[in-house]
Amino acid sequence: DSGVTQTPKHLITATGQRVTLRCSPRSGDLSVYWYQQSLDQGLQFLIQYYNGEERAKGNILERFSAQQFPDLHSELNLSSLELGDSALYFCASSVETGVSGYTFGSGTRLTVV
Amino acid sequence: GDSVTQMEGPVTLSEEAFLTINCTYTATGYPSLFWYVQYPGEGLQLLLKATKADDKGSNKGFEATYRKETTSFHLEKGSVQVSDSAVYFCALLNFGNEKLTFGTGTRLTIIP
Repeated sequence: DSGVTQTPKHLITATGQRVTLRCSPRSGDLSVYWYQQSLDQGLQFLIQYYNGEERAKGNILERFSAQQFPDLHSELNLSSLELGDSALYFCASSVETGVSGYTFGSGTRLTVV
Repeated sequence: GDSVTQMEGPVTLSEEAFLTINCTYTATGYPSLFWYVQYPGEGLQLLLKATKADDKGSNKGFEATYRKETTSFHLEKGSVQVSDSAVYFCALLNFGNEKLTFGTGTRLTIIP
């Protein structure tokens, strides 16, 4: 157990729907990162939050949004889902800047049908 | 921008063989370098890291040396085991840019 908890582990939904992925960071970690892992694009950085504030943005679609709550858990919202959004979504956390590396959760596998 | 280039896979080796997975990077300044490992059905785990030139990261028999002159961070292990079968990712983190940039991953399969 890495200490980073992601729920749900698996999600199957239809095109056009909206889903929410949840992440609880490791105790004491203030930064949360979201990554998308797909077969054709590898690991893509989506977004980072630090202590409730958005810190960095990567290749995140406008249909996707995220937030970090006062208790430091984070949610990634994916809307108007398309078949191409099917992927593994990972959350990672670090104390501050991640210079010592991130701790990853086990991921949420999203399948859009 | 920052980028990481990894040896194309998949790589298949026999147990007890010597392993090298090549990784080179492009980045300004002095990034920190990492190797992550992903076992089937699991998330990524930090395997080892190096934060400055000539540092050697090591863990579980794996080693990698930060070579600034060749911008490389090749992963090596002297004698691989079946349990080392996984996907290995090289990554960098540049100061002032807080996201990890990953290579495409190398799938390693060890056969008994």
